[in-house]
Amino acid sequence: GIQVEQSPPDLILQEGANSTLRCNFSDSVNNLQWFHQNPWGQLINLFYIPSGTKQNGRLSATTVATERYSLLYISSSQTTDSGVYFCAVGRNQGGKLIFGQGTELSVKP
Amino acid sequence: NAGVTQTPKFQVLKTGQSMTLQCAQDMNHEYMSWYRQDPGMGLRLIHYSVGAGITDQGEVPNGYNVSRSTTEDFPLRLLSAAPSQTSVYFCASSYRAGDNQETQYFGPGTRLLVL
Repeated sequence: GIQVEQSPPDLILQEGANSTLRCNFSDSVNNLQWFHQNPWGQLINLFYIPSGTKQNGRLSATTVATERYSLLYISSSQTTDSGVYFCAVGRNQGGKLIFGQGTELSVKP
Repeated sequence: NAGVTQTPKFQVLKTGQSMTLQCAQDMNHEYMSWYRQDPGMGLRLIHYSVGAGITDQGEVPNGYNVSRSTTEDFPLRLLSAAPSQTSVYFCASSYRAGDNQETQYFGPGTRLLVL
C-alpha cells in the first residue's frame, strides 16, 4: 500500500514565526488532504490539494504530484495553530484515505 | 446541519463484551469511513463505504464489522472487545464534487477503553 511520511514529527515555534511541514508519499495519488487536529481532538480539513497550490489566509499548501510530496506553510503562527497536522492520501476510492503520522506543532506565546 | 455525529462520546467495556459505535451524517454524503487513532500512530482506516449497501475493508479491519443500510448511518460493531481495541474512533463522511474534489469531514470521536 501507499506509504505516507511526514516531517518533522515535532515542531516548537514562537508566536509570529513561519513554518513548513512536509508530506512524502510513495506512489501516485489523486487525493491529498491536509487536516489539523486541535488539542481537543477535533479534526478539521484544511486543504484538498492533489496537485498545485492553494492559499487560505495564513495557510498555504503546495503539492508536486510528479515528485510525490506536499508542503504546508504556516505564516505568522498563532497559539491557536497548535495541534497535530496530518497529511492523508488516496487513490480512486471514495472515503479511503491513508494518513501520515502527523506533525505536532506547539506555538508558544 | 449537524454534520457528522458520533455516539457515545466515551465508553468502557470489559474484554469479550460487544458494542456498536454509532455514526450518522446529514449532508447526504455518499462516502463514509471509520478510523482508529492510537498514540503516535496517526489514523488508520478500519472500514469504508462508497454508498448504501456497499462496504469494504481498510488497513485494520479485524475484530470490527460494519453495515450501511442507509446513506445517513454507518455503525461500527465490535463483536468481542479486546484491550488492543482501546483507542479513539473517528467516523468521517465525504462526497465527490463536480470538479472531482473530495473533502472528508470528521465526527468528534468516541473514546473506547477495554479492560
